[in-house]
Amino acid sequence: DQQVKQNSPSLSVQEGRISILNCDYTNSMFDYFLWYKKYPAEGPTFLISISSIKDKNEDGRFTVFLNKSAKHLSLHIVPSQPGDSAVYFCAASEENAGGTSYGKLTFGQGTILTVHP
Amino acid sequence: DADVTQTPRNRITKTGKRIMLECSQTKGHDRMYWYRQDPGLGLQLIYYSFDVKDINKGEISDGYSVSRQAQAKFSLSLESAIPNQTALYFCATSDLGRGIGELFFGEGSRLTVL
Repeated sequence: DQQVKQNSPSLSVQEGRISILNCDYTNSMFDYFLWYKKYPAEGPTFLISISSIKDKNEDGRFTVFLNKSAKHLSLHIVPSQPGDSAVYFCAASEENAGGTSYGKLTFGQGTILTVHP
Repeated sequence: DADVTQTPRNRITKTGKRIMLECSQTKGHDRMYWYRQDPGLGLQLIYYSFDVKDINKGEISDGYSVSRQAQAKFSLSLESAIPNQTALYFCATSDLGRGIGELFFGEGSRLTVL
């Protein structure tokens, strides 16, 4: 059973517009969430994270929103750039006492983002 | 040089052969992981190790074994490879002491089992 789901396999956006990538989870024990970006022939790289004590975390053009009651999070990229074209993975974990991820992540299937010039 | 290095990067083998994928890291992290990626399934955790004396099974450990030879080295073995183990394999490290806990991935090892 897929505990973390990214229901959109792909998303196509025009340069300068907003990209919104969605993620749903079913395990109520998850309380720390991360987004990774992956380019072809490379490993995933960390993008941004959010703890369940927050509902929003922002880092430059990237903002992650968390709706715990709906078990839903989203990644907003504004403005989108062609270099953002990649596969985006949502991941979830249980927090440890220090307020960070245990590091044992459950990943979604990924969404391929294409940003057109 | 990459902080997390995987060898080989590509390998084609036959059913029944023993395969070892190796991972070494220069990040000084205690925690190491092996994930596999299949199309449409994302990344799934095979094994993880929180220190040299600690080995834990992940979601899909059947058919795999691991060895943590040192803090910096974590290898994944397929004792008798089968075609449905054809996948992209990633090694990763993490360091809780850093306060974020995200994983740092290697570039991947593409394995094809014929």
